[in-house]
Amino acid sequence: SQQGEEDPQALSIQEGENATMNCSYKTSINNLQWYRQNSGRGLVHLILIRSNEREKHSGRLRVTLDTSKKSSSLLITASRAADTASYFCAPASPAGNMLTFGGGTRLMVKP
Amino acid sequence: EPEVTQTPSHQVTQMGQEVILRCVPISNHLYFYWYRQILGQKVEFLVSFYNNEISEKSEIFDDQFSVERPDGSNFTLKIRSTKLEDSAMYFCASNGQLNTEAFFGQGTRLTVV
Repeated sequence: SQQGEEDPQALSIQEGENATMNCSYKTSINNLQWYRQNSGRGLVHLILIRSNEREKHSGRLRVTLDTSKKSSSLLITASRAADTASYFCAPASPAGNMLTFGGGTRLMVKP
Repeated sequence: EPEVTQTPSHQVTQMGQEVILRCVPISNHLYFYWYRQILGQKVEFLVSFYNNEISEKSEIFDDQFSVERPDGSNFTLKIRSTKLEDSAMYFCASNGQLNTEAFFGQGTRLTVV
């Protein structure tokens, strides 16, 4: 499967610092999506990067994709306490009809 | 902003009972999905649905599970005879086209006792 695996599993930083989370996957993908989840709640879509894209920005988020290494990274700049959540990468199958989630990175941003 | 809505937010059922989880996808979306997340574990794909047919399903989605789009707005997941191990958060998702952002609902927490 193209299951995403995030690294690190947990990350604790101070407010204002940048947070970088990495994701690796195994097979071909059409796109890769990043989501956040607050404890016990729904998945919020953050950003989608297509397999022919290398970098994408959205506000304080920057996502990179390296298909040769089958890896992606999510950078959150100038973090805030409200960014505290779990972050998941989800590679999409080539057919585009299935996302495969990893275990996530638990980010804690201390005020 | 359009959103995927799921009801109920929490359901408790006895083992062996049938449950139906309900979802209202975003109105102009065509592709619908169910995922589940057992407490403390990964989000797992169950099934995708398009044009009134299942387009993909995982090994988890066995004969005990079924999906239906009974009308133009609802998308349901039925579990015929629940087991303890079916206890999980069930998420519905939708997107307008393949390979675009999938929007998830807030989930239904199913507890089987």
